[in-house]
Amino acid sequence: EMQLLESGGGLVQPGGSLRLSCAASGFTFSSCEMSWVRLLPGKGLQWVSSIGLRAGYEFYADSVRGRFTISRDNSKNTVYLQMNSLQAEDTATYFCAKTIVWGNWRWDFDYWGQGTLVAVSS
Amino acid sequence: DVVLTQSPVSLPVTLGQPASLSCRSGQSLVHSDGNTYLSWFHQRPGQSPRRLLYKVSYRDSGVPDKFSGSGSGTDFTLKISRVEAEDVGVYYCMQCTHWPPTFGPGTKVDIK
Repeated sequence: EMQLLESGGGLVQPGGSLRLSCAASGFTFSSCEMSWVRLLPGKGLQWVSSIGLRAGYEFYADSVRGRFTISRDNSKNTVYLQMNSLQAEDTATYFCAKTIVWGNWRWDFDYWGQGTLVAVSS
Repeated sequence: DVVLTQSPVSLPVTLGQPASLSCRSGQSLVHSDGNTYLSWFHQRPGQSPRRLLYKVSYRDSGVPDKFSGSGSGTDFTLKISRVEAEDVGVYYCMQCTHWPPTFGPGTKVDIK
């Protein structure tokens, strides 16, 4: 059975950092692109970042580029999201999602984890 | 970024009755390859989103056939033939024809 288990969320002050992890099982992780999508309170879902199978294939939403870094460790079947310079607007539940690539720049999300809550507040 | 609009915002439904949810795009979602990359997701309260449909009308594995998708260009519809209690929650449409992928604001379905 496919599973994605996020961890690492919590309460952090503005300007602080957090590292989210997503442990995958039940599928061939190394063959799958992965993404992070967040649920902003009262605003719905927003794509945050995606990572391909090879180095150099990382993509970010404009709102997080330069502050967030996505990475993966295929030996641990885990994808990470390093979040720096966190702002109140980053408060959300963060989901990792197994990603289907239909073709260049067409990335869909076919399986999601349970999510981890990030709250940025002083 | 492509803006998706969903209506209604809230949809109270009687058990056993059908429901129809709308998703409209600010630009055509037809890709140059001829496909339309519009997906629908369902998020039950306290749970993660689950993809129901992709490429407008293809059901994901395990999704009951009471869910159907239709539409083209900029106007799309998700239909539930007979609403059951487990169908409550928020339904989101998402496009990935254009980069970056974007979501609609959601339609909340509950039972009258």
